[in-house]
Amino acid sequence: DIVMTQSPDSVAVSLGERATINCKSNQSVLYSPNNKNYLAWYQQKPGQPPKLLIYWASTRESGVPDRFSGSGSGTDFTLTISRLQAEDVAVYYCQQYYNTLPTFGPGTKVDIK
Amino acid sequence: EVQLVQSGVEVKKPGESLRISCRASGYTFISHWIAWVRQMPGKGLEWMGIIYPGDSDTQYSPSFEGQVTFSADKSINTVYLQWSSLKASDTAMYYCARQGSSSGGDWFDPWGQGTLVTVSS
Repeated sequence: DIVMTQSPDSVAVSLGERATINCKSNQSVLYSPNNKNYLAWYQQKPGQPPKLLIYWASTRESGVPDRFSGSGSGTDFTLTISRLQAEDVAVYYCQQYYNTLPTFGPGTKVDIK
Repeated sequence: EVQLVQSGVEVKKPGESLRISCRASGYTFISHWIAWVRQMPGKGLEWMGIIYPGDSDTQYSPSFEGQVTFSADKSINTVYLQWSSLKASDTAMYYCARQGSSSGGDWFDPWGQGTLVTVSS
């Protein structure tokens, strides 16, 4: 299995400031033949199901605000919320789909400072 | 609109059986894999496995193989997650989600609203 880790466990950021979440896999999720990173990010607000934000590590899902961006390659990835809004309070998960057993990171909770 | 709608809250006793459902709409049901994902109270997301409604092909995570059964009814665009004998440790929120994309990536979108299963004596 590919093990996903995230840091920090939680972060508190002032409204309008930047929030950065890190995700690391214990093996590369970059598929060399197509040069794509098999990594997605989700947002889960309290009492709601997860919502897809980003796939292929950096492609924003339709309708997702452009303050959300994904970066990274291989084993190290980052989700950045450039200007935190109150509605962004949530737990954020990364997920690899490189192999046939998808796995998620443990989540990072984002709060307002 | 692509949508997955799950059945409601369940409260069961240990040893009882249970089947929960996930009804799809807004797309060709038989052409997309649907995954089941467990979220235990206060915890993260665990992929349980997938079912292809077109032919009911299934793949189970080793962690859930033999513990649950997936099935599908094409006539009503519905997939099911079933337990034959529940345990207290099955208490969790269970989500269905469409897995896969036309570009070959196995992300999950959309998700059902979740079914809360509580197992307690």
